[in-house]
Amino acid sequence: QQQVKQSPQSLIVQKGGIPIINCAYENTAFDYFPWYQQFPGKGPALLIAIRPDVSEKKEGRFTISFNKSAKQFSLHIMDSQPGDSATYFCAASRPGTYKYIFGTGTRLKVLA
Amino acid sequence: DGGITQSPKYLFRKEGQNVTLSCEQNLNHDAMYWYRQDPGQGLRLIYYSQIVNDFQKGDIAEGYSVSREKKESFPLTVTSAQKNPTAFYLCASSIGKLLGTDTQYFGPGTRLTVL
Repeated sequence: QQQVKQSPQSLIVQKGGIPIINCAYENTAFDYFPWYQQFPGKGPALLIAIRPDVSEKKEGRFTISFNKSAKQFSLHIMDSQPGDSATYFCAASRPGTYKYIFGTGTRLKVLA
Repeated sequence: DGGITQSPKYLFRKEGQNVTLSCEQNLNHDAMYWYRQDPGQGLRLIYYSQIVNDFQKGDIAEGYSVSREKKESFPLTVTSAQKNPTAFYLCASSIGKLLGTDTQYFGPGTRLTVL
């Protein structure tokens, strides 16, 4: 119940494509879902986050779609660029705890 | 500049040695965390601290120890009891709110290699 399952493990798209990364969870107590972007040898940086009271959130070219009934959320990257090549992690947390549960990560490569 | 610093960036350890990884933050955050990152396994929580002089074990605390004597500092010691310490270690901090969102911010990491 504490797991967050992330897929795919790796993804290759052409420049301008729309990569989609999916995460699924079981614990309905989760109420905060951040996405992190990590470049090789660097620490993860917060990209965008969503709470379950909204179904979609956009920040620039990054969009989170949230399906509360299916217990799934996805990251879409519009007009992807080679500079978006990185590893992306989803996470979830619930009230009353400081702990995040992280997905296993998706390594994205955007071809020029 | 506000942020989280980790040192050293690279660390080499001989088997049987203890090593200490430094983490400092000037964000005035109450909560701090240590994660271990291995390829294909995401981030696993080692220890976390909600406030000075208090800390709790995470999911993989065996072979590690921490202290939290100052709000801005949360050093991690990797002891000789840790059987497979080669990994990328990440420190994070957050404001420390139990209610509502509490975003974690990460440092640049320390790569530890056992020789």
